[in-house]
Amino acid sequence: EADIYQTPRYLVIGTGKKITLECSQTMGHDKMYWYQQDPGMELHLIHYSYGVNSTEKGDLSSESTVSRIRTEHFPLTLESARPSHTSQYLCASSHYYQGQETQYFGPGTRLLVL
Amino acid sequence: KQEVTQIPAALSVPEGENLVLNCSFTDSAIYNLQWFRQDPGKGLTSLLLIQSSQREQTSGRLNASLDKSSGRSTLYIAASQPGDSATYLCAATGGSYIPTFGRGTSLIVHP
Repeated sequence: EADIYQTPRYLVIGTGKKITLECSQTMGHDKMYWYQQDPGMELHLIHYSYGVNSTEKGDLSSESTVSRIRTEHFPLTLESARPSHTSQYLCASSHYYQGQETQYFGPGTRLLVL
Repeated sequence: KQEVTQIPAALSVPEGENLVLNCSFTDSAIYNLQWFRQDPGKGLTSLLLIQSSQREQTSGRLNASLDKSSGRSTLYIAASQPGDSATYLCAATGGSYIPTFGRGTSLIVHP
């Protein structure tokens, strides 16, 4: 059973505010990911990390930043929230075990930017 | 760039039916193919993972197959139940080791 946590679960915020979405996992997984998902649409990769001090940009990275100072923690920051950022944000981690690499997802953060 | 397509986008069936969900991918050089379940407002739960060297995986009433040469995977659900109602997503992982997701099939199983 994977333990991956996201806070807050829901957030309503005004345009221009700086926000940080938190993600933590207790499995010691090296790889972590942030995705954005709109209803009925595919997941879009925002950022990912191969391990501590490693961060990479995905398809939608231009308006956000991440950090990976500790293995278990991978926060996502939006410097200036806009209504177009309204979406669900999913954090995931993965590990390689017995020839397989499986992703585990957190419950998500629903963001509404007014 | 890998593209993943899932058909149908939505499916409504009566309880007890056997059903097949389809997933196709454009780049056959994949590392693995994973099927997920997503309940409304929740994250994704991994159901089955098929390595590129495998043809199928089974878990309970679920069976997933993989045909790399044709770029297709199917998820077979036997004897569907109302509790199976959810969105099912497939994800193909290639050489970058980053999964590419489809849009999912929204399944409703009615009593």
